Amino acid sequence: TQLLEQSPQFLSIQEGENLTVYCNSSSVFSSLQWYRQEPGEGPVLLVTVVTGGEVKKLKRLTFQFGDARKDSSLHITAAQTGDTGLYLCAGYTGGGNKLTFGTGTQLKVEL
Amino acid sequence: EAGVAQSPRYKIIEKRQSVAFWCNPISGHATLYWYQQILGQGPKLLIQFQNNGVVDDSQLPKDRFSAERLKGVDSTLKIQPAKLEDSAVYLCASSLEPDYEQYFGPGTRLTVT
Repeated sequence: TQLLEQSPQFLSIQEGENLTVYCNSSSVFSSLQWYRQEPGEGPVLLVTVVTGGEVKKLKRLTFQFGDARKDSSLHITAAQTGDTGLYLCAGYTGGGNKLTFGTGTQLKVEL
Repeated sequence: EAGVAQSPRYKIIEKRQSVAFWCNPISGHATLYWYQQILGQGPKLLIQFQNNGVVDDSQLPKDRFSAERLKGVDSTLKIQPAKLEDSAVYLCASSLEPDYEQYFGPGTRLTVT
């Protein structure tokens, strides 16, 4: 079973601060996704990265896929209280169509 | 477009009792997934259906868990008998085909006492 480790596990910051969440594995992924999940809801897809070294931006969120396609990061600029939630990375390994989720990062943004 | 529907939203049972969860995927989605999510962790795939056939059930505890998707549309997941460690949120997701974007339902929160 491929393991996707996320760090940090918990993060509590003030509104306006920047933060980075990391997703690491020893396995190579054909693509990697980031989700946000709010209490009482299912995960919602934010982005999919496919190419090693790829960077994608979604408003204040910047996603990067590692050159070797084994790791990824999510950077949030000027966090807002609405960014609060559980952030999950998830990856597909080459040749398979099973999505493996990371361990999760619980983010709390306070005023 | 209606999303993935799940019921019930919450369920509390005693250990050794049985429970069933229902999922209605997005119309036209051939692939349906059941995940188990322990509080604060990432979801773990239990079973994946392609239409009414099972694609992957390698992580389904088959001695107590069962799932079916008889007509290739909605699906049920059953636990019999339940254990304390089964307390979790059970998420259903669907996608047009495997490898396409998965859309998740709100989940059923199960508490086993």
